[in-house]
Amino acid sequence: QQQVKQSPQSLIVQKGGISIINCAYENTAFDYFPWYQQFPGKGPALLIAIRPDVSEKKEGRFTISFNKSAKQFSLHIMDSQPGDSATYFCAASMDSWGKLQFGAGTQVVVTP
Amino acid sequence: KAGVTQTPRYLIKTRGQQVTLSCSPISGHRSVSWYQQTPGQGLQFLFEYFSETQRNKGNFPGRFSGRQFSNSRSEMNVSTLELGDSALYLCASSSGQSGYTFGSGTRLTVV
Repeated sequence: QQQVKQSPQSLIVQKGGISIINCAYENTAFDYFPWYQQFPGKGPALLIAIRPDVSEKKEGRFTISFNKSAKQFSLHIMDSQPGDSATYFCAASMDSWGKLQFGAGTQVVVTP
Repeated sequence: KAGVTQTPRYLIKTRGQQVTLSCSPISGHRSVSWYQQTPGQGLQFLFEYFSETQRNKGNFPGRFSGRQFSNSRSEMNVSTLELGDSALYLCASSSGQSGYTFGSGTRLTVV
């Protein structure tokens, strides 16, 4: 039973475009929602994280939008660059150092 | 500051054997978690340790075990290896303030 559902499975975007990845969760006890970026041969790297008391958080070109009532959150990558080509995972947990429930991942390809 | 170090990076084992993987967390991080990553199942939580105590355990058979030492270093052990145990095993550490930092993983192949 997947507690965090992520879409789309893959995404192709042109350089300079916006990449949008969506996630939905069921467990209202989740209190921490991070996004991870993973390159081939590497472990996931924490990109940005949000807690449910905030509706949006921006760090550089990466923005998380959070909709508590809909139990959904999304990652927006603005001005996408070829170096952003990677697999992105959303996750959720009860706190910032608890068990992470990961989404299935989205492979993003940014074309030059 | 050194990141999370996992050893070895690659490992090939035969069915039925056992294996031990090692993880050195970031200095000062007391929480260590382990995850299994496969193309079919994605990232799945194995267990989490804090101050040498297992706080959380995922839905894996008892062949998967772990421990944490007083210096926060952690090991995980898989006994009686099966072909389906082939995966990337990831260790992550946290201080509780800024989320989990992952290592590059150990790629285990069971033949």
